[in-house]
Amino acid sequence: QSVLTQPPSASGTPGQRVTISCSGSSSNIGSNYVYWYQHLPGTAPKLLISRNNQRPSGVPDRFSGSKSGTSASLAISGLRSEDEADYYCAAWDDNLSGPIWVFGGGTKLTVL
Amino acid sequence: QITLKESGPTLVKPAQTLTLTCTFSGFSFTTGGVGVGWIRQPPGKALEWLALIYWNDDKRYSPSLKSRLTVTKDTSKNQVVLTMTNMDPVDTATYYCVYSRGLPDFWGQGTLVTVSS
Repeated sequence: QSVLTQPPSASGTPGQRVTISCSGSSSNIGSNYVYWYQHLPGTAPKLLISRNNQRPSGVPDRFSGSKSGTSASLAISGLRSEDEADYYCAAWDDNLSGPIWVFGGGTKLTVL
Repeated sequence: QITLKESGPTLVKPAQTLTLTCTFSGFSFTTGGVGVGWIRQPPGKALEWLALIYWNDDKRYSPSLKSRLTVTKDTSKNQVVLTMTNMDPVDTATYYCVYSRGLPDFWGQGTLVTVSS
């Protein structure tokens, strides 16, 4: 069971806007940055969003991130077939044993 | 361009020790704030963070696996090594090494390790 909670699946049609949520707690999302990753089967996961809403160079502006309290969201606008992938959120968690990385369980995005 | 590549056995027997090597390029491990971490993903399951080592040799481990993990670095070889003792079939997973200046920024392709007798 993952520390961060994501819906297992999401879907949309080409051109549509979809959002994927990520819920945590005060020890992780509530007090640290959220990162988002895109994972296509058989490839290395790719950083999509860092520090809640920053897009690395090369990531289309169709992808955007936001955070409010202990939850975060990834929005994908102008959905394209190549966006079909698994998406993961991640954050530092201020664990009693020391800071650790925590991930969401992943959301499988289907482009209908 | 930052690249990372994992190498090691594809098959280990239960109770054996797994040793994985991450060979990287495109960055210096002497730069402040830089870390190399390990993350795994069992088939059909979510990502799980394992360990992290920083440029200054500071190390962090997943609390649930800490007793089984050791991470070391060889800056001269641009390598980071992860060892995991007492392997079990539930440890079957794709193991990734990652470059980090906070959370993972770049990932290796991953290597599938199967634990089976």
